Amino acid sequence: GNSVTQMEGPVTLSEEAFLTINCTYTATGYPSLFWYVQYPGEGLQLLLKATKADDKGSNKGFEATYRKETTSFHLEKGSVQVSDSAVYFCALSGNSGAGSYQLTFGKGTKLSVIP
Amino acid sequence: SAVISQKPSRDICQRGTSLTIQCQVDSQVTMMFWYRQQPGQSLTLIATANQGSEATYESGFVIDKFPISRPNLTFSTLTVSNMSPEDSSIYLCSVAIGDGYTFGSGTRLTVV
Repeated sequence: GNSVTQMEGPVTLSEEAFLTINCTYTATGYPSLFWYVQYPGEGLQLLLKATKADDKGSNKGFEATYRKETTSFHLEKGSVQVSDSAVYFCALSGNSGAGSYQLTFGKGTKLSVIP
Repeated sequence: SAVISQKPSRDICQRGTSLTIQCQVDSQVTMMFWYRQQPGQSLTLIATANQGSEATYESGFVIDKFPISRPNLTFSTLTVSNMSPEDSSIYLCSVAIGDGYTFGSGTRLTVV
């Protein structure tokens, strides 16, 4: 079946530091890949997505490139802010038979940015 | 993208009781999903609800514990039955729109 593995947290960075959160996946066929963000006390928001190999998703300074050869979708941001403190989830949607349209989530990575 | 109204946003319930969570979508959607997020954990799919058919439950989840209704293309409910403290979680509904997914704001349930 489909699975998503993302780096364990928590991650603590100083403001303006570079962020990378690793995400790799296992899936058959050609899944779509997503990053979701959950701010403290809030629901899940779509941060960015990519639907085919070599696509780059970007939003709010965050980027991730769909790498089929390495089955990866790492999240990056060049300069984090305190307001980026949240939990980040990598997810995929792909053909898994009965679960074709469901999202499979990674465990989440908690990011804390300190001034 | 769709907008989902989910309620209640939070509740504190006595063990042995039941709680029904509602999700209203501002557009018609074929598939709705219900997830559970236990404290500090990722999201786990409970079931997929299609209008006009029985919900499809994931391994470890049963209809008697989590009955779901899907009376039309814009609305669904999830009931958490005979609750115990282990049911304390955030419950979220989600819909598939185009090539993406939108989530409700979640229901934070505490069972005492």
